[in-house]
Amino acid sequence: NAGVTQTPKFRVLKTGQSMTLLCAQDMNHEYMYWYRQDPGMGLRLIHYSVGEGTTAKGEVPDGYNVSRLKKQNFLLGLESAAPSQTSVYFCASSPGLAGGPWTDTQYFGPGTRLTVL
Amino acid sequence: AQSVTQLDSQVPVFEEAPVELRCNYSSSVSVYLFWYVQYPNQGLQLLLKYLSGSTLVKGINGFEAEFNKSQTSFHLRKPSVHISDTAEYFCAVSDRTGRRALTFGSGTRLQVQP
Repeated sequence: NAGVTQTPKFRVLKTGQSMTLLCAQDMNHEYMYWYRQDPGMGLRLIHYSVGEGTTAKGEVPDGYNVSRLKKQNFLLGLESAAPSQTSVYFCASSPGLAGGPWTDTQYFGPGTRLTVL
Repeated sequence: AQSVTQLDSQVPVFEEAPVELRCNYSSSVSVYLFWYVQYPNQGLQLLLKYLSGSTLVKGINGFEAEFNKSQTSFHLRKPSVHISDTAEYFCAVSDRTGRRALTFGSGTRLQVQP
């Protein structure tokens, strides 16, 4: 049981390049989230999904797109990277109602450190 | 909408001393409250959570937190810290709506010195 995994762990991009971050969970969780972490700002929600085939915007969605074609995977895409997207990206999942009464506990992956030059 | 304020960005403390990390939140509805810990170059790990019931919540590694509804606070405490407790600590609230997302504070870096 690996929990939540993220690929890649590190990446350096040039401005204007594109990339996809992959998040995978093996806990059969319904809900998945992408956050970004910047110094002194805590974690901020980019996009989230409440089930396979669904996605929705969080607080800071501009410049990102997501897809959830399979329940266990949640992809975060950057179509044209900008230096402002230099950050550490965390994926998280939570069981939703399938885990019993709502607890809202989220389980986090190890993060992807992205630098945009 | 919710917001979380962690009043101290850094807390230096000597080993075996007690520590309190402060967290205040703002919300117009009931919330769930969480403390997560992040060790260097790692993801976030759940330390403890308050859902309902007893306002004193015990977590892993000897940490506990007390929910105070009137003061909208959820301070984290440990009676005696170890070097291994050096990490960043995040307080978070859940909006308990359909998206069940967390709103995080800006974090408190706990630095335990020998």
